Amino acid sequence: EAGVVQSPRYKIIEKKQPVAFWCNPISGHNTLYWYLQNLGQGPELLIRYENEEAVDDSQLPKDRFSAERLKGVDSTLKIQPAELGDSAVYLCASSLASGWDTGELFFGEGSRLTVL
Amino acid sequence: KQEVTQIPAALSVPEGENLVLNCSFTDSAIYNLQWFRQDPGKGLTSLLLIQSSQREQTSGRLNASLDKSSGRSTLYIAASQPGDSATYLCAVSGGFKTIFGAGTRLFVKA
Repeated sequence: EAGVVQSPRYKIIEKKQPVAFWCNPISGHNTLYWYLQNLGQGPELLIRYENEEAVDDSQLPKDRFSAERLKGVDSTLKIQPAELGDSAVYLCASSLASGWDTGELFFGEGSRLTVL
Repeated sequence: KQEVTQIPAALSVPEGENLVLNCSFTDSAIYNLQWFRQDPGKGLTSLLLIQSSQREQTSGRLNASLDKSSGRSTLYIAASQPGDSATYLCAVSGGFKTIFGAGTRLFVKA
């Protein structure tokens, strides 16, 4: 069974340019997460989806970040415009559980963004 | 607000040694605790998931324990190998949130 798939694995852009990351969760996993991981730190939640509904986007910087999961399967995270401080790894995760029980999380390989 | 701390931040041990990694959390109202492994430049790989009603979980040379009342979990690695070198993170879930520690970077010397 395929795991969580993310693309691209690496992206280098100039500041103020837009960038988008794509994630396909494990088949049947209704809950999808986008995390941000800075070097030497643990992942921090950006947004959590249950099916197509964003149930927690409190940590998403909405002035420049947006996300969608239109059909409740794959998801896209966009940054426009990118800033130097956005350089980080963007991780996607999925789980079977929903609500208060987050269940076991499964992560993709991540998308490493470098903003010059 | 839940806070998760992992000590030590880095650890270097000779091959074959048994070792313990620590994870502490401030709010005992958790649903589960998960241990992950992360290799450089890679995503997180799930190692063990302990539900709040459980005391421990085992997988091969790994054993994770959970003491909710004291806000602690330990990951025990038996007979460490160079291939165990990675960063180990714990994550605590509860109240719709999953909070991660910063991880312990482990280096096992051959």
